[in-house]
Amino acid sequence: ETGVTQTPRHLVMGMTNKKSLKCEQHLGHNAMYWYKQSAKKPLELMFVYSLEERVENNSVPSRFSPECPNSSHLFLHLHTLQPEDSALYLCASSQEGAYNEQFFGPGTRLTVL
Amino acid sequence: KQEVTQIPAALSVPEGENLVLNCSFTDSAIYNLQWFRQDPGKGLTSLLLIQSSQREQTSGRLNASLDKSSGRSTLYIAASQPGDSATYLCAVRLVGSNYKLTFGKGTLLTVNP
Repeated sequence: ETGVTQTPRHLVMGMTNKKSLKCEQHLGHNAMYWYKQSAKKPLELMFVYSLEERVENNSVPSRFSPECPNSSHLFLHLHTLQPEDSALYLCASSQEGAYNEQFFGPGTRLTVL
Repeated sequence: KQEVTQIPAALSVPEGENLVLNCSFTDSAIYNLQWFRQDPGKGLTSLLLIQSSQREQTSGRLNASLDKSSGRSTLYIAASQPGDSATYLCAVRLVGSNYKLTFGKGTLLTVNP
């Protein structure tokens, strides 16, 4: 595996389900990100982990819960979601620091019924 | 609040044409600007990263310029090919935010054979 990988690629869940999205980066980076991409809206940053510590949470509802067990893995735990949470969820990674390029995974297409 | 605008929202050109995509941002205090390509339903592929101290970056048929003082960047694609068809996104990193990229809504490019 190379780059940034995400699983699953597609997920359909009911509003009462609990599921998790997984991201893994193979680039030796130490910062990881979750972004949300909804139709007709720009990408929105959700969470940032740097050196395994959460450093940004952009007013994301508590029904989204991130976890970063090590510098290569990032999870997004989902529970009691709403239909408006249906979107493409993208993971990215970079070296820590403002001058470094971010690299993105292929995304998980989430549909909440 | 940083706002990023991309014009045009959609562009259709015949194969072989040279073209320019535009990106403007309201706050010129940025660390850098990054151009991405996104194929339908897929993740983002990083094309070029321009630091605030740089005027342009080149990769193959792509050339990106940055005029920080006027809040503008252009992505020039030479000799366009059908395989260039995708959505092109620009994103800026504001000074004071080590991690957050602020994205435009993108330009949907179609190159017709």
